[in-house]
Amino acid sequence: NAGVTQTPKFQVLKTGQSMTLQCAQDMNHNSMYWYRQDPGMGLRLIYYSASEGTTDKGEVPNGYNVSRLNKREFSLRLESAAPSQTSVYFCASSQDRDRGYTFGSGTRLTVV
Amino acid sequence: QKEVEQDPGPLSVPEGAIVSLNCTYSNSAFQYFMWYRQYSRKGPELLMYTYSSGNKEDGRFTAQVDKSSKYISLFIRDSQPSDSATYLCAMSPNAGGTSYGKLTFGQGTILTVHP
Repeated sequence: NAGVTQTPKFQVLKTGQSMTLQCAQDMNHNSMYWYRQDPGMGLRLIYYSASEGTTDKGEVPNGYNVSRLNKREFSLRLESAAPSQTSVYFCASSQDRDRGYTFGSGTRLTVV
Repeated sequence: QKEVEQDPGPLSVPEGAIVSLNCTYSNSAFQYFMWYRQYSRKGPELLMYTYSSGNKEDGRFTAQVDKSSKYISLFIRDSQPSDSATYLCAMSPNAGGTSYGKLTFGQGTILTVHP
C-alpha cells in the first residue's frame, strides 16, 4: 500500500502565483487533513474533511482553499502565494481517532 | 498560551541512556494522547497511543498520562542512534461517536542519540 501520497515534493513560487497541492490516500479512510509545519510552531491544522463532501476550517485557514474531490483525494490551493506561506505542508488521513493519523511525506514550499 | 506545550530541546544523549520527553496541556477535554516520531525530511508516524490516565508500554517505549496534572510523558529505554528524530505529542478531545478527530500537536522535541 502506498498510504498517503503528496505531490509535488518540492515547489518554489513567486509571490502572487497560485498552485494546488495534491493528496491521495488508498486506505479507504473517511477523514483527511492538511497541516503546515514551521520551526518552533509544530503542526498547525489548515483545513480538514471529516468525510467526503464536507470540509471545515482549522487553526490557520487564511490564504488557503481546499477541495475534497472524492473519498481518496483532498487538495489544498494557494490562490495568491505569500512569503508567509513558506512551509512544509503535510496531508494526513484517519479512519478512527483512536488509531491516529497516517501522514504523507510532505511538500516543501518556498515563496519568494 | 498554547493548548499544548512541549520543550523543543534539542536533547542530546549517549547511546543506552533513558530519555524522558514531556508535554503539558491546558484543555481538560483532551482524552486521547499520542506520540509521533518524525525522521528528518519525513512525515510523522504514530509511535504510541493512550487513552485516559495510566501507563502503556511497547518494547523500549513507555507512554504515561497524568490527567490530574495535565501532563504526559514518553520514556525511551536503552536509547539507540536510530531513535534520533523529532518527537511530537498530540492529543484530541472525546467527541463521542464521531469517526474523526482533530489532533492538537506540541511543537516537537528534537532528540539526538550519539554512539
